[in-house]
Amino acid sequence: QVQLQQWGAGLLKPSETLSLTCDVYGGSFSGYYWSWIRQPPGKGLEWIGEINHSGSTTYNPSLKSRVTISVDTSKNQFSLKVTSVTAADTAVYYCARGDIAAPGAPLDCWGQGTLVTVSS
Amino acid sequence: EIVLTQSPATLSLSPGERATLSCRASQNVSSYLAWYQQKPGLAPRLLIYDASNGATDIPARFSGSGSGTDFTLTISSLEPEDFAVYYCQQRSSWPPLTFGGGTKVEIK
Repeated sequence: QVQLQQWGAGLLKPSETLSLTCDVYGGSFSGYYWSWIRQPPGKGLEWIGEINHSGSTTYNPSLKSRVTISVDTSKNQFSLKVTSVTAADTAVYYCARGDIAAPGAPLDCWGQGTLVTVSS
Repeated sequence: EIVLTQSPATLSLSPGERATLSCRASQNVSSYLAWYQQKPGLAPRLLIYDASNGATDIPARFSGSGSGTDFTLTISSLEPEDFAVYYCQQRSSWPPLTFGGGTKVEIK
């Protein structure tokens, strides 16, 4: 049973860099997309981007200039960096797995979520 | 970008009743449409993928239908644990992968 365990700093000041990591336990790293999604308080879900096991990335155009997703297959983990954060980046951030083998690559496993607050 | 519009925003029903949730896409997404359930303080959980396929361990009372631009999630008989927010999501044309705005199913 695969589990995603995410971690990283939860309180940032404006202009700092958000950094989160997601550890993948109990499953294969290859054959999946590894995504980051965020949810502002009381609002809906926004896809940030994804990476596959070989390091190929795809980003949401609305965030692309500030986002980097990377993978470390030796540690079975992938990471998110968002530069120059503002209050608008305050959200719960989730990591998730997309099953490439399933039509539409649904997000079938999610991390527990990390609340990131940007405040001066 | 494909926009997904969910309706209604809120659905007030009693346990045992049937729930019908709608998701409309701004462009044809074929059958690449998934549904998720989210309870307060928890991550979303995959219910349905490829418009009508149930995810692992999802109860049979949840079913999905539709293709192209119009999709429906049906909960045949609401259980107390089904009161939550439901999101649809497409991966037909990305980036970006997009989600609908959500439908809250609340106890009447």
